[in-house]
Amino acid sequence: QVQLVQSGAEVKKPGSSVKVSCKASGGTFSNYAITWVRQAPGQGLEWMGRIFPLLGIVHYSQTFQGRVTVTADKSTATAYMELNSLRSEDTAVYYCARKLTLADAADSWGQGTLVTVS
Amino acid sequence: EIVMTQSPATLSVSPGERATLSCRASQNFGSNLAWYQQKPGQAPRLLIYGTSTRATGIPARFSGSGSGTEFTLTISSLQSEDFAVYFCHHYNNWGETFGQGTKLEIK
Repeated sequence: QVQLVQSGAEVKKPGSSVKVSCKASGGTFSNYAITWVRQAPGQGLEWMGRIFPLLGIVHYSQTFQGRVTVTADKSTATAYMELNSLRSEDTAVYYCARKLTLADAADSWGQGTLVTVS
Repeated sequence: EIVMTQSPATLSVSPGERATLSCRASQNFGSNLAWYQQKPGQAPRLLIYGTSTRATGIPARFSGSGSGTEFTLTISSLQSEDFAVYFCHHYNNWGETFGQGTKLEIK
C-alpha cells in the first residue's frame, strides 16, 4: 500500500515561489508516476503536471507551463512541485497522487498542502 | 487539451434512490476515464477507472459506463456516506483534465 505524505502548510507573498514535497513509502518509487493537482477554496480539481521518474518523463498543463516545475528524487522517494510568480489566485490545496503509469488513474493521494498567497 | 464537462452541478437525491452523474468530453479519447469521490476536508478517493472498473474496496452500488465522449457514474441505492462531490478525470499518455464536479446532496 503506497502512502504519500506531503509537506506542511505555507504562507507566501505575491511574486514569490513555493516548493511542496511529497514523500512516498511502499512500492518502488521510480516505477510509478506522481501527478500534481490543486484545488482552490470551494472549487474543483485542476491538473498541474506529472512526472514518471523511471523514464524521466515530465508533462505540464498548458495553464501552468512556464510557471511550474515538477521533479523527483529517487534516492529519497520524494517528488516536488515548485510554483513560481505566485499570485492570490494560487491560494489552494495542492495534492500529489500516485499513478501506476502515465495513462492510469490516481489511486493513492497525499493529504494535501494548503498554500496561502497573501 | 480535452475539456471535461460534468452535469448537473448539483444533484438532490433521497437516500435509497439511484443517482446518475454525467461527464462529457470535448473530444473522443477512448476509455481512460476515472471517477473520484471527495468529502469535505479530505483528498479525493478513486472509485472507478478505465470507465467501468471499480477500484479496490469500492462497493458494487457504484458503477461506471460510457464511451466516446459521454460517460456516466451511477450509484444504485444511495447511502448516507455517498453524499459528497464527484469528479470525472480524463488521463492519457500526454496529459490529464478534470471535470468541475457534481455535488450530490440529500433531498
